[in-house]
Amino acid sequence: NAGVTQTPKFQVLKTGQSMTLQCAQDMNHNSMYWYRQDPGMGLRLIYYSASEGTTDKGEVPNGYNVSRLNKREFSLRLESAAPSQTSVYFCASSGRRNTEAFFGQGTRLTVV
Amino acid sequence: QKEVEQNSGPLSVPEGAIASLNCTYSDRVSQSFFWYRQYSGKSPELIMSIYSNGDKEDGRFTAQLNKASQYVSLLIRDSQPSDSATYLCAVNERGNKLVFGAGTILRVKS
Repeated sequence: NAGVTQTPKFQVLKTGQSMTLQCAQDMNHNSMYWYRQDPGMGLRLIYYSASEGTTDKGEVPNGYNVSRLNKREFSLRLESAAPSQTSVYFCASSGRRNTEAFFGQGTRLTVV
Repeated sequence: QKEVEQNSGPLSVPEGAIASLNCTYSDRVSQSFFWYRQYSGKSPELIMSIYSNGDKEDGRFTAQLNKASQYVSLLIRDSQPSDSATYLCAVNERGNKLVFGAGTILRVKS
């Protein structure tokens, strides 16, 4: 009964390095989301995928790319990490349109 | 204007009191609304969803929706110290875009 699984849980990067955050869900959900959370700023939407084969920008997409690999998996890539991308990243998924989302455990990323 | 707005707080209430949390949203065509609770260092967890105007009750929690005023609220009755957390309002906008407010910190004092 895994739900939404994110890897890794913690990561430290040097400025300019690249990395991919992985997210997988086993609930057969259509929609998946990537958020970042910074102190006092709630959850800000980076990218989302309303259904397999589609991706759309959210509120803060600059510096990120995404891939909806299949219905289960939605990855977030940082091509050239910057200290401003230090944050906690959450992946979420939701089923039928307009239903609630379920979250992964988060990835704490530090860029030095 | 942010798409979903909440008072950041902190909102402090004594144990046993009613906590009232508020949220406004900008997209008039939004159809579904959610309240999540988040403890420090943890993932958000859903506590209430509401889709129609009016009130929805679940135990000590009541969600209220007024689409004409673009306003959603959450009432927590008989507040307990364990309710101390950040409460996030979320709105599902057109295209299944799920947008969150900045969250309200609630502190329940025993």
